[in-house]
Amino acid sequence: ELKVEQNPLFLSMQEGKNYTIYCNYSTTSDRLYWYRQDPGKSLESLFVLLSNGAVKQEGRLMASLDTKARLSTLHITAAVHDLSATYFCAVDKTRRDDKIIFGKGTRLHILP
Amino acid sequence: DTEVTQTPKHLVMGMTNKKSLKCEQHMGHRAMYWYKQKAKKPPELMFVYSYEKLSINESVPSRFSPECPNSSLLNLHLHALQPEDSALYLCASSQDPSVAGGLGYNEQFFGPGTRLTVL
Repeated sequence: ELKVEQNPLFLSMQEGKNYTIYCNYSTTSDRLYWYRQDPGKSLESLFVLLSNGAVKQEGRLMASLDTKARLSTLHITAAVHDLSATYFCAVDKTRRDDKIIFGKGTRLHILP
Repeated sequence: DTEVTQTPKHLVMGMTNKKSLKCEQHMGHRAMYWYKQKAKKPPELMFVYSYEKLSINESVPSRFSPECPNSSLLNLHLHALQPEDSALYLCASSQDPSVAGGLGYNEQFFGPGTRLTVL
């Protein structure tokens, strides 16, 4: 059974600092997704990572995928308050169905 | 049109009521999903429709009944719900992986959700 673990689950950080959220998964997969969710809102797709070594960047966020280590990271550079949200990683369970398995989410609180 | 829409935004219902949630997408996506999300939890998959056929039912109680009238529409019919069914209900869609350049990925696009309260 595919398990997806994120850590930390909660992160409070100061503006201007750098930090990394980790997403580990238990079985082979080369397709990983990052989503953002603001309080009371829906999920917004941030990144799609499709191969080993994939790196995507958007503004202050950079995501990477290491399929051999079964690890993805979401790096935040010089955090700003607007990045406060919950971040979910999700992994494709199998190419034979449409399920993706979500991690528990990381609640990011950036202090001004 | 690059969004998934859901109606209503909020719904309050009694345990004896029958109501429906609606979802629509015009992106040509072939898969549509219903998720349930409780506060501070990840979304939980309920149902998946692929090419208008139910492909996944995650052992959801029969008081939830999905329907896919056509490739753009997805409904969730609600009947005799319990207070613990109160949650945010999210609809999502994804394109045919074989269309995405053969890359075979399943990026899901979510609607704004319906906040359901069962009294």
